[in-house]
Amino acid sequence: DTEVTQTPKHLVMGMTNKKSLKCEQHMGHRAMYWYKQKAKKPPELMFVYSYEKLSINESVPSRFSPECPNSSLLNLHLHALQPEDSALYLCASSQEKQGGNEQFFGPGTRLTVL
Amino acid sequence: GENVEQHPSTLSVQEGDSAVIKCTYSDSASNYFPWYKQELGKRPQLIIDIRSNVGEKKDQRIAVTLNKTAKHFSLHITETQPEDSAVYFCAASELTGGGNKLTFGTGTQLKVEL
Repeated sequence: DTEVTQTPKHLVMGMTNKKSLKCEQHMGHRAMYWYKQKAKKPPELMFVYSYEKLSINESVPSRFSPECPNSSLLNLHLHALQPEDSALYLCASSQEKQGGNEQFFGPGTRLTVL
Repeated sequence: GENVEQHPSTLSVQEGDSAVIKCTYSDSASNYFPWYKQELGKRPQLIIDIRSNVGEKKDQRIAVTLNKTAKHFSLHITETQPEDSAVYFCAASELTGGGNKLTFGTGTQLKVEL
């Protein structure tokens, strides 16, 4: 399996809702990432997990809460979001070693916050 | 932190012509430079990457050059085809372990016209 999968594909939520985005990979990668991408903009890094431990948090608001339950799964828990959080949320994974750093992206979850 | 600038923001070429996209980076510690292609509504996909110990890399119609002294790198696409139409992002990172923090350029919308 050489793909990163994400669910759901689309999500509409109100500002008081709690929802979760899910990401899965079975390539044996030990680094996983969450990015946010607004229309016509590049992906912006949010979080990095390395060996299931949070290694980078790019000063993301606490209404976004990442979780890495095991080496294949990555979740992003959402709570009390704002309309400006509407975006494409991309998950990615990579090998965690020098020289093996290609990041494979999932198809993304299109999030709309009403 | 790293800052990556990318030019041009839009590029229109005739089928069969060459296309060149240029990026500059600010952090001399960066040593990994991937290029991603993102078609409308799809995930970013790596098309080529280069590490700082190499000055040039080629893969069929695609080539990347790196000038470490000037801190710039370029993507060259020869014999362009309509299916090359997409947004192209350059990126830079320092490979240190603990995940691979990519900083993306602002993107180039390439349009290949028949």
